[in-house]
Amino acid sequence: SYELTQPPSVSVSPGQTASITCSGDALPRQYSHWYLQKPGQAPVLVICKDSERPSGIPERFSGSTSGTTVTLTISGVQAEDEGDYYCQSTDDSGTYWVFGGGTKLTVL
Amino acid sequence: QLQLQESGPGLVKPSETLSLSCTVSGGSISGSTHYWGWIRQPPGKGLEWVGSMYYSGSTYYIPSLSSRATIYVDTLKNQFSLELTSVTAADTAVYYCARHGASGYCRGDSCYDWYLDVWGRGTLVTVSS
Repeated sequence: SYELTQPPSVSVSPGQTASITCSGDALPRQYSHWYLQKPGQAPVLVICKDSERPSGIPERFSGSTSGTTVTLTISGVQAEDEGDYYCQSTDDSGTYWVFGGGTKLTVL
Repeated sequence: QLQLQESGPGLVKPSETLSLSCTVSGGSISGSTHYWGWIRQPPGKGLEWVGSMYYSGSTYYIPSLSSRATIYVDTLKNQFSLELTSVTAADTAVYYCARHGASGYCRGDSCYDWYLDVWGRGTLVTVSS
């Protein structure tokens, strides 16, 4: 099996920068992707292929990588950014497509 | 605009088979370069990939569900479906269907660069007698 590890929660004040990390052994070699899920809604893709922003996603969302850790950064956090963030990737064998456990972002 | 809609029974008895369909509108499954997948989320918990398929019929499942899950496509109805046999309470979850991003690929049973760019709204399936 393969696991991605995220912190359970992150809190930030409006206008500040939020950073959410995700760790996994294969992340230096496999792309990471990020989703935002608001209560009662389906997840929405916010970052794909480590750092690409899908159409319609605000520029304040960005992704970066460093070794076995990838980071989602939200600059100038807004109240509407609150929700659960999930990273997602694949192991090196290409047979385990997994999500991290999720990080609840609270905007204070 | 591409839309996906899950449908199926909301209640399934233990040991029976869970059957769900995903209807795609605003685009065609057949001839598409995209893969299509099923993901589930137990109440209050995180996301779990169930499996995915290509319109040609190729299917891919996570190892823990491979013996119980079947995904198949009906190109005439522009639908793809999930069957999960011998369900237990642990299979209670919101089930989502989704389209993969265009860049994913598979070599044999190994698949890479998979991500999900369009999701259905999800449907809750409860396993209970």
